[in-house]
Amino acid sequence: AQKITQTQPGMFVQEKEAVTLDCTYDTSDQSYGLFWYKQPSSGEMIFLIYQGSYDEQNATEGRYSLNFQKARKSANLVISASQLGDSAMYFCAMREAAAYNTDKLIFGTGTRLQVFP
Amino acid sequence: NAGVTQTPKFRVLKTGQSMTLLCAQDMNHEYMYWYRQDPGMGLRLIHYSVGEGTTAKGEVPDGYNVSRLKKQNFLLGLESAAPSQTSVYFCASSYGTLAKNIQYFGAGTRLSVL
Repeated sequence: AQKITQTQPGMFVQEKEAVTLDCTYDTSDQSYGLFWYKQPSSGEMIFLIYQGSYDEQNATEGRYSLNFQKARKSANLVISASQLGDSAMYFCAMREAAAYNTDKLIFGTGTRLQVFP
Repeated sequence: NAGVTQTPKFRVLKTGQSMTLLCAQDMNHEYMYWYRQDPGMGLRLIHYSVGEGTTAKGEVPDGYNVSRLKKQNFLLGLESAAPSQTSVYFCASSYGTLAKNIQYFGAGTRLSVL
């Protein structure tokens, strides 16, 4: 079974609008961490934002925020005021408690976001 | 700010040839990882290391070997390359066992096996 599911292969958004990229996860652990990475066309993987399972508030980093709904096991990335430079692949990833001693991440298949003027 | 550096950036091999991918990090990280990225499959862990001199298998280790002789370097070897190993390879590193433990990635190596 997929541990990380990103159901949107591609998304379009107009510049300056907000966009939500979906991520659902599957784990039986109570303690886990959720990450979002950005991969622009140049290829590198850039860390964006982190949410811990015990964090009471949704994580925010500048224009990025994470809509964490624990009961629904979803960790959607919200990008506000989209910019042309936001066009990229976005990956959701999870680290489960059992993996804390190895720091292994499980990645979703990604969502390609395209921002148009 | 070098961070994680991968060499080479591109490589074309013939089936059966061997090669080594080098990953170097200057952040004094304990943990290092090798992933492969294939279309529609996200990133999959090949091998990882939790410290100098230690290595372990990840999700897709077959056909690869690794070594971590120095803390800052993590080598990925292909002894006899196969077309199925055509992929983009990423190295990553992190501090270790913290809840908010960010993995930092290199720029990737694009490998084609003909």
